[in-house]
Amino acid sequence: RKEVEQDPGPFNVPEGATVAFNCTYSNSASQSFFWYRQDCRKEPKLLMSVYSSGNEDGRFTAQLNRASQYISLLIRDSKLSDSATYLCVVTPKPFEYGNKLVFGAGTILRVKS
Amino acid sequence: EAQVTQNPRYLITVTGKKLTVTCSQNMNHEYMSWYRQDPGLGLRQIYYSMNVEVTDKGDVPEGYKVSRKEKRNFPLILESPSPNQTSLYFCASSSFQTSGSYEQYFGPGTRLTVT
Repeated sequence: RKEVEQDPGPFNVPEGATVAFNCTYSNSASQSFFWYRQDCRKEPKLLMSVYSSGNEDGRFTAQLNRASQYISLLIRDSKLSDSATYLCVVTPKPFEYGNKLVFGAGTILRVKS
Repeated sequence: EAQVTQNPRYLITVTGKKLTVTCSQNMNHEYMSWYRQDPGLGLRQIYYSMNVEVTDKGDVPEGYKVSRKEKRNFPLILESPSPNQTSLYFCASSSFQTSGSYEQYFGPGTRLTVT
């Protein structure tokens, strides 16, 4: 079983739609959680960190459920520019014990006009 | 401008010919990592470094070497490249923030093809 699993998609949605991605992780001791965004053939960039209490950044909302070991990302009012691959990322141990991020394989989002 | 740079961006080489991919960051970050990205597998960590002269293996270190002689540089060395090392490689750096979270900054990637 992969450490971090995501539905690869693609999710094809019209502009203005609300779309949600889920991600599950296998290591219950995982410390920190993130969503990264990767445009085609480009480097990943941090979209947002995910906190236990849930957090929102504009049209993006991230949730963490430690009991069920899953993370979600909700995008409201989708824009064409949201088309990208969304990577779920987990750190399996405290930062000071190793600079390791474990990446999911990514979920492809395509927003159509 | 804060950035991570990698060179070369594209490289086609033959089996067994030693190569080095350079990585440099100008943000004074302590931590640097190398990842490879393959379709369906996501990014996998090759090696990481927590500071100068401190390196450790990631998940897929076989066939690779690294060194950290200076804080800003973290080259990736393939002593004898093989076709299964054909991949997209990313260097990343980060610094721990007091909030307990941190962001990794990635270089633009190096697309390596080994024939």
